[in-house]
Amino acid sequence: SQQGEEDPQALSIQEGENATMNCSYKTSINNLQWYRQNSGRGLVHLILIRSNEREKHSGRLRVTLDTSKKSSSLLITASRAADTASYFCATLYTGFQKLVFGTGTRLLVSP
Amino acid sequence: EAGVTQFPSHSVIEKGQTVTLRCDPISGHDNLYWYRRVMGKEIKFLLHFVKESKQDESGMPNNRFLAERTGGTYSTLKVQPAELEDSGVYFCASSQAGGTGELFFGEGSRLTVL
Repeated sequence: SQQGEEDPQALSIQEGENATMNCSYKTSINNLQWYRQNSGRGLVHLILIRSNEREKHSGRLRVTLDTSKKSSSLLITASRAADTASYFCATLYTGFQKLVFGTGTRLLVSP
Repeated sequence: EAGVTQFPSHSVIEKGQTVTLRCDPISGHDNLYWYRRVMGKEIKFLLHFVKESKQDESGMPNNRFLAERTGGTYSTLKVQPAELEDSGVYFCASSQAGGTGELFFGEGSRLTVL
């Protein structure tokens, strides 16, 4: 199975705190993407990082990629209650055209 | 511009019945994907269309599942006959030609098989 894994499975923090989620994958990738899913809704693309990039920012999001460790992390700074959702990493493995998703991290941000 | 739309949003059927899920991708998107999430587990790939052709159907569970994409536009996913383990949320996603960028997802079709 090529399935990646997110860690932790669940995370509960207070508003204003930072949230860090990690993702590990199996083999060489073309890119890695993070998606958010609000309860009962579809997945929304957050950020894409290519295999030759090490860090990327988008607003309050910061993504890092360590290809030597086959891992990525998503940092959400100054979290808000509206950030409560499930977060998934998805990898595009080299030579493939499909994204492989993990099981996700459930983030709960309390006011 | 309309996003990816899926119908129905929720379907409840008896074991042995047939259900057809429909996905309308974003206009002009050649790539169309079906994924499934069962009971809070990972989001699993089912298949990938490029226009009307099946590019990769390696994730289809068995021959009870049939996907089509008429004329390279909308797609249907038929489950016949449905089994209990088919319950889950079926997501459709589309992307522009090239297939290495972001996917645009529909809100999913929740299937409950009783």
